[in-house]
Amino acid sequence: RKEVEQDPGPFNVPEGATVAFNCTYSNSASQSFFWYRQDCRKEPKLLMSVYSSGNEDGRFTAQLNRASQYISLLIRDSKLSDSATYLCVVGGGSQGNLIFGKGTKLSVKP
Amino acid sequence: GAGVSQSPSNKVTEKGKDVELRCDPISGHTALYWYRQSLGQGLEFLIYFQGNSAPDKSGLPSDRFSAERTGGSVSTLTIQRTQQEDSAVYLCASSLRPAGYEQYFGPGTRLTVT
Repeated sequence: RKEVEQDPGPFNVPEGATVAFNCTYSNSASQSFFWYRQDCRKEPKLLMSVYSSGNEDGRFTAQLNRASQYISLLIRDSKLSDSATYLCVVGGGSQGNLIFGKGTKLSVKP
Repeated sequence: GAGVSQSPSNKVTEKGKDVELRCDPISGHTALYWYRQSLGQGLEFLIYFQGNSAPDKSGLPSDRFSAERTGGSVSTLTIQRTQQEDSAVYLCASSLRPAGYEQYFGPGTRLTVT
């Protein structure tokens, strides 16, 4: 089983749509969780941390289910500028590094 | 404040030459990470520094790769006798502390080996 698994997509949605991404992780001892976004030919940028109680930042909501080892990201009212690859990231690598999923590509169309 | 900076932004080199990539982390960040990303692929973890020491170098792809960090700040990644398969974007990230804290990335160095 891969350490962090995501559906690669692409997800093609119209502006204004709600879209959800899911991610599973294999290490039950993981303690930190994040979503990053990566635009084409750019570096990954932190979108939000994910907390056990779930958290929201504007149009973005992240959820964590430790029992199922599952993380989600919900984007409401999609904008054209949301088009990017979304990386699910889990802490707890053997060297203290973060483990990055391969990403889910989102394309928001007018 | 200033983010992570990397230089050069682009490097084209001939096969067999050595290259040196530099990373300047966010001031005060004790942990520094190197990753590699080939076109259309995910991030490949290479090495991590806590202070000036790298606890485990097993993520480096071959013995042609080496990295060092001095003064708990700037790090250099050196690739000797470059090969075409070394072509990729080399990304550096830093975090306030290691062990799962959020990381902040530099813009990367795009390396092309001809």
